[in-house]
Amino acid sequence: LAKTTQPISMDSYEGQEVNITCSHNNIATNDYITWYQQFPSQGPRFIIQGYKTKVTNEVASLFIPADRKSSTLSLPRVSLSDTAVYYCLVGDGGGSGGGADGLTFGKGTHLIIQP
Amino acid sequence: KAGVTQTPRYLIKTRGQQVTLSCSPISGHRSVSWYQQTPGQGLQFLFEYFSETQRNKGNFPGRFSGRQFSNSRSEMNVSTLELGDSALYLCASSSRASDYNEQFFGPGTRLTVL
Repeated sequence: LAKTTQPISMDSYEGQEVNITCSHNNIATNDYITWYQQFPSQGPRFIIQGYKTKVTNEVASLFIPADRKSSTLSLPRVSLSDTAVYYCLVGDGGGSGGGADGLTFGKGTHLIIQP
Repeated sequence: KAGVTQTPRYLIKTRGQQVTLSCSPISGHRSVSWYQQTPGQGLQFLFEYFSETQRNKGNFPGRFSGRQFSNSRSEMNVSTLELGDSALYLCASSSRASDYNEQFFGPGTRLTVL
């Protein structure tokens, strides 16, 4: 799995748009970019996944530039309940039996939303 | 559709004891993976089971073992517990083997070793 780098922590305020950028310079051709959210004492929750350009769902948007060496998770109009750790993961997801390391989570970005 | 369930949610054991944790995946999911999460090491992969067979294994000692039943439910066992085994143990299920891009996690079992 490609190594990822993301900020350790970020602060923002309710109602703001938050963008968390993840660097993955060694991303491979078959790799997808996936973001998870984790609240304290809970399991991570899948947020969004993409391969290139832009992906949007009801929770977030994911922007991926043409070179795919980075990606940005965008959370629109955050609320206090968005305070959590956000993990960026890059990998091909296996499927054919690969991914012996399972999901490799880095330290993630601890997002704190203030009123 | 019910989510991933784990039992028990909390557990306190003493050093040297053994413990068994249980995980029931989402209905229809045949892959179950186990992870250990600690403040110092973060979230680390233990192993994955698919159709009752262990497919992948992380870098953990042999004291950590698991199995999967024909109904896809999985158990994880830790023998000869050590203080360092105190952690949140998470189970995740997916429909495909080694589908690490989208896994559904349970709430975890908080294990405390005294």
